[in-house]
Amino acid sequence: GIQVEQSPPDLILQEGANSTLRCNFSDSVNNLQWFHQNPWGQLINLFYIPSGTKQNGRLSATTVATERYSLLYISSSQTTDSGVYFCAVERAGGGADGLTFGKGTHLIIQP
Amino acid sequence: DTGVSQNPRHKITKRGQNVTFRCDPISEHNRLYWYRQTLGQGPEFLTYFQNEAQLEKSRLLSDRFSAERPKGSFSTLEIQRTEQGDSAMYLCASSSLAGATYEQYFGPGTRLTVT
Repeated sequence: GIQVEQSPPDLILQEGANSTLRCNFSDSVNNLQWFHQNPWGQLINLFYIPSGTKQNGRLSATTVATERYSLLYISSSQTTDSGVYFCAVERAGGGADGLTFGKGTHLIIQP
Repeated sequence: DTGVSQNPRHKITKRGQNVTFRCDPISEHNRLYWYRQTLGQGPEFLTYFQNEAQLEKSRLLSDRFSAERPKGSFSTLEIQRTEQGDSAMYLCASSSLAGATYEQYFGPGTRLTVT
């Protein structure tokens, strides 16, 4: 199956700092999503971005499908940004395999 | 649009008992997915429905697991003869064929603890 690698696994930053999270994947995809998982386990949709660039407030994401990676940018971090960020992909032409998730990046924003 | 809902939110059961979880997808979403997430890991795909048809099952879905979506609306996931290794968060997601995207939306999950 498709492989998804996220880096870094852990990231500790001060409030106000910027961060870049990376997601590498091993095959062509028709779906790539970034999620933030809150402390109660809810997966919150951040971006649906199988290719291109999107921005939503302090967050932006870029996927370079030809090179099989995606980046999530968080600017001016706030303590509420803390949590686990997951990248998940669905292989193109693979039928219904569901999303394959990376292991996540655990982000801690300190005041 | 009320989002994906799951019930119960928490379930504690003794080893060997059967449990059933329910998922109500976003209305008009014809695709429904079940995932399992253990501590410190990302969610793992279990199975997928398009309308009432179960189209894909992961090898993670052992014979003790069964899922149904009888009328193409809500879905149930049953685990028979639960084992301690079944303790996990069970997540449901839905998506729509009607749009130009494959974006999935997740429910809050059911956290299962097997004692």
